[in-house]
Amino acid sequence: DGGITQSPKYLFRKEGQNVTLSCEQNLNHDAMYWYRQDPGQGLRLIYYSQIVNDFQKGDIAEGYSVSREKKESFPLTVTSAQKNPTAFYLCASSISRLAGVPYEQYFGPGTRLTVT
Amino acid sequence: EDKVVQSPLSLVVHEGDTVTLNCSYEVTNFRSLLWYKQEKKAPTFLFMLTSSGIEKKSGRLSSILDKKELSSILNITATQTGDSAIYLCAVFPGTYKYIFGTGTRLKVLA
Repeated sequence: DGGITQSPKYLFRKEGQNVTLSCEQNLNHDAMYWYRQDPGQGLRLIYYSQIVNDFQKGDIAEGYSVSREKKESFPLTVTSAQKNPTAFYLCASSISRLAGVPYEQYFGPGTRLTVT
Repeated sequence: EDKVVQSPLSLVVHEGDTVTLNCSYEVTNFRSLLWYKQEKKAPTFLFMLTSSGIEKKSGRLSSILDKKELSSILNITATQTGDSAIYLCAVFPGTYKYIFGTGTRLKVLA
């Protein structure tokens, strides 16, 4: 079955620790995205990548880092610099990396991160 | 600044009712508008509307794009408890990013 997997589903960390969220897709999609979802705020873009070894900051990149060493994988690290990391994190992918071409995004099941 | 606004923020109806969800947008270069349904975790794709495809229908769900009013509506007829979810609207302004609204939380009571 093709799809996007995220792990873990739930993650608990102490303040001051870095944590890495996994995102893997077997859809052969070029583009991958990380979003953060807070209650009443919709989805906000953290980082996106259109091709392997390249990624760009989204609207709320501060305190986060990513890598794109393989087409299938786009892990997100939440660093201790992120002031309010507790949130629901969604990874997505889409088929096209061409600017201006509208394709739907496919989403993973999400990771709920709680930092205390 | 590009913006997508959804209304209402939340809605409670009874089974069998018809609901209309709204999405309005202000973007510099509109290319498409997408609707998603988010039940517990992953949003699932419903429709994509573009200048060449302003109306879509699937079963009890339908959506229309009004390019003059810069808005879209999502209609759900004969609602069922399984329609309870957050409905997200997103606009693709022709770059690489999708701009999401805050979502409408729909609860359908039996």
